[in-house]
Amino acid sequence: QKEVEQNSGPLSVPEGAIASLNCTYSDRGSQSFFWYRQYSGKSPELIMFIYSNGDKEDGRFTAQLNKASQYVSLLIRDSQPSDSATYLCAVNEARDDKIIFGKGTRLHILP
Amino acid sequence: DAGITQSPRHKVTETGTPVTLRCHQTENHRYMYWYRQDPGHGLRLIHYSYGVKDTDKGEVSDGYSVSRSKTEDFLLTLESATSSQTSVYFCAISESSGTADTQYFGPGTRLTVL
Repeated sequence: QKEVEQNSGPLSVPEGAIASLNCTYSDRGSQSFFWYRQYSGKSPELIMFIYSNGDKEDGRFTAQLNKASQYVSLLIRDSQPSDSATYLCAVNEARDDKIIFGKGTRLHILP
Repeated sequence: DAGITQSPRHKVTETGTPVTLRCHQTENHRYMYWYRQDPGHGLRLIHYSYGVKDTDKGEVSDGYSVSRSKTEDFLLTLESATSSQTSVYFCAISESSGTADTQYFGPGTRLTVL
């Protein structure tokens, strides 16, 4: 069983600071990586996806991928209280194309 | 937002009764998925469908069956509900499977089995 690992948190970050969320995965053949945000009692919503090594930026969010280290991260700049949520990392399984989700990291932005 | 609805949104039932959850999409996407989400386990795939009448098992399929007779509807059935099936159930859709595609989630169904 392929695995996607995340620190469960909670990760507490002061408002305005950079929040850094990390994820490691076990399937060396994985090619697609996703970050979802989930507010309490709501469904997951896609924030970003990344396929290539390096950084991908979208507004205050930056996804970073290092396939050699099997590591993907999400940076949130200028953190806002509305960023307080659980962040799910998801990675495709190369062999059968299913997506495996990590258990999520709870992020708490301190006003 | 992706056009995905789930019904019912909340359900309380008793052990041993059959339960059917419905997922409906208006996006005409080929792939549909059923997940359950439990504390400490995250999202786990139950079953998925890659077309009308084409379905396959996921990680936690025991005790569940699915059917897809139309592109827009994907049904999840608990033939005889057990307390261990108390969970939040999410339906998701994607245009295609595979390395390049993302999944979009419905609002979820909270099921309690007493």
